[in-house]
Order: sequence, then structure tokens, then C-alpha cells
Amino acid sequence: NAGVTQTPKFRVLKTGQSMTLLCAQDMNHEYMYWYRQDPGMGLRLIHYSVGEGTTAKGEVPDGYNVSRLKKQNFLLGLESAAPSQTSVYFCASSDPGLPTLSSYNEQFFGPGTRLTVL
Amino acid sequence: AQSVTQLGSHVSVSEGALVLLRCNYSSSVPPYLFWYVQYPNQGLQLLLKYTTGATLVKGINGFEAEFKKSETSFHLTKPSAHMSDAAEYFCAVSDNFGNEKLTFGTGTRLTIIP
Repeated sequence: NAGVTQTPKFRVLKTGQSMTLLCAQDMNHEYMYWYRQDPGMGLRLIHYSVGEGTTAKGEVPDGYNVSRLKKQNFLLGLESAAPSQTSVYFCASSDPGLPTLSSYNEQFFGPGTRLTVL
Repeated sequence: AQSVTQLGSHVSVSEGALVLLRCNYSSSVPPYLFWYVQYPNQGLQLLLKYTTGATLVKGINGFEAEFKKSETSFHLTKPSAHMSDAAEYFCAVSDNFGNEKLTFGTGTRLTIIP
């Protein structure tokens, strides 16, 4: 049981290049999230999904797109990278489940992807 | 809109001393509250959470937090700090509308002095 995995772990891009970050979870969770972490700003929600085929905008969605074609995968795309997108990106998943479950309302995080845009 | 304020971006305590990390929240609905810990170069791990019921919540590694509605606070404590507690700690709030989105504070880096 790997939990939440992210690919790649590190990446360096030039301004204007595109890339896709892959998040995969093997816990059969309904909900998935993409956050970015910047020094002194905590984690900010980029996009999220409450089920296969659905996505929604979070707090900082500009410059990013997402897709959830399969329940276990959540892709984050940067169409034209900018230096302001240099950050550490975290994926998370959760399952609404029942309030009696110990994992109720808990998000499980991946190890992160460190992205540098030059 | 929800928000979280963590007082003190850096906190240093001596090994064996009390750890107190402060968190205040703003929410228009009864909140769900969380503390996560992040060790260097790792993802976030849940320490504890408050959803409903008992306002004093115990978590992993000897940490606990108390939900005080009147003070809109959810401070994290540990009676005796250990070197392994050195990490960054994030307080977060979620609405209970079902999508479980989290709003995080800016984090507190805890340093343990030997």
C-alpha cells in the first residue's frame, strides 16, 4: 500500500515550457487535491476533485489545469511555466466516508514535487 | 471565508520543556480543525484533528490540542519536547460542507534546543 505518490520528485523548467505532474493514490479515495507550498505562505489549494471526471478551482488556480480521468489519478498541468510557479507541489487525497471512521476528514499527502522555473 | 492565523513563524524550546504552538481561526460555520506536521523534505502528516465531541483532542507523539470556541483557538501543546519534534507545524481549518477543502496557516517552525 503506497498511499499517495507523486511523479516526478524534482524538475527544472525554462520559462514557457509545459509539464504535467502526476499524482496517484491506491486508497480508493474519492477526493483529491493539489496544493503549492511557498516559504512563509503555508499551503494553498490550487485545484481539487470530488470524484472521477470532476474538478474545481481552489484558491490559486491561475496558470494551472487539472484532469481526473481515473479515480486513482489526478494530473496537474502547467501550460506555459513562469518563474512565479517555482514552488513545492503537494498532492493529497481523502475519503468522505463516515464520521465514525478514524480517517474521516483526514487528507493524506504525497511526498511533494520540487519545481524550479528559470 | 475561512482563515487561520499561526502566531510565531519560529518557536524554539529546550528539550524537556513545554511546547505551545498557537493557532486561531476564523470560520462562519462550526469548523473542523487540524494540526499537521512536516519533517524536512517530506509531505504532511496528520497530528490530530477536531471534528465534533470532546474539545481536548489527543494526537500522535504526545501532542494534544484544545478547541476553544469562545477564543476561536486550537493551540497545540506537548508537555515535554523531544529532539525528534523539530519540524514545521501547520494548523488548518475545513468547512463541513463535504468537500473537505483545507485552509492552512502559514506554519510554525519548531526548533528544539539540546
